[in-house]
Amino acid sequence: AQRVTQPEKLLSVFKGAPVELKCNYSYSGSPELFWYVQYSRQRLQLLLRHISRESIKGFTADLNKGETSFHLKKPFAQEEDSAMYYCALSSYNTDKLIFGTGTRLQVFP
Amino acid sequence: AAGVIQSPRHLIKEKRETATLKCYPIPRHDTVYWYQQGPGQDPQFLISFYEKMQSDKGSIPDRFSAQQFSDYHSELNMSSLELGDSALYFCASSGAGERGDEQYFGPGTRLTVT
Repeated sequence: AQRVTQPEKLLSVFKGAPVELKCNYSYSGSPELFWYVQYSRQRLQLLLRHISRESIKGFTADLNKGETSFHLKKPFAQEEDSAMYYCALSSYNTDKLIFGTGTRLQVFP
Repeated sequence: AAGVIQSPRHLIKEKRETATLKCYPIPRHDTVYWYQQGPGQDPQFLISFYEKMQSDKGSIPDRFSAQQFSDYHSELNMSSLELGDSALYFCASSGAGERGDEQYFGPGTRLTVT
């Protein structure tokens, strides 16, 4: 079955510290992986997708098929990164997103 | 730029009542998705439409139905409401029918069933 696991509900760091939000998935085929972010009182928005291989707001994520992971990383966290982060996957034959339970990132000054 | 619009933003209903949630996609987007997010839970896919036809179906109760109209807006109809239907209902839209195209989310409708 398709599944996305985010083991951490809450991650708290100080400004300038490195951040890694973990995401593991289970899927038998070739999924497409995403990171969505929800800032306070704002809508869900796409942060990254693995096929674009971009760095957005200093965040990167590498798809590791061997470990079935898509961890989100940033070397130096900023206070404005505080938000809810959801890892999600979709498959080739359907666009529906399967979300993880989300990780709340708190960056303290 | 225009974003996905959902109405109403908040809705309070009693058990066994009906509710209708509306979603207006980004102009020229032809695909609409509905997700339900219960308290402290991840968003769960309910149903999607492409060019006014149902394209995929998730864990949507039989009490719920949805459709996409000729102007591409979509409505989620919920009948015989139960307390467990209290949740945030997100709508998302994507364009051009291209697989894997980015989904843009609306602000959600918070439904409270009392």
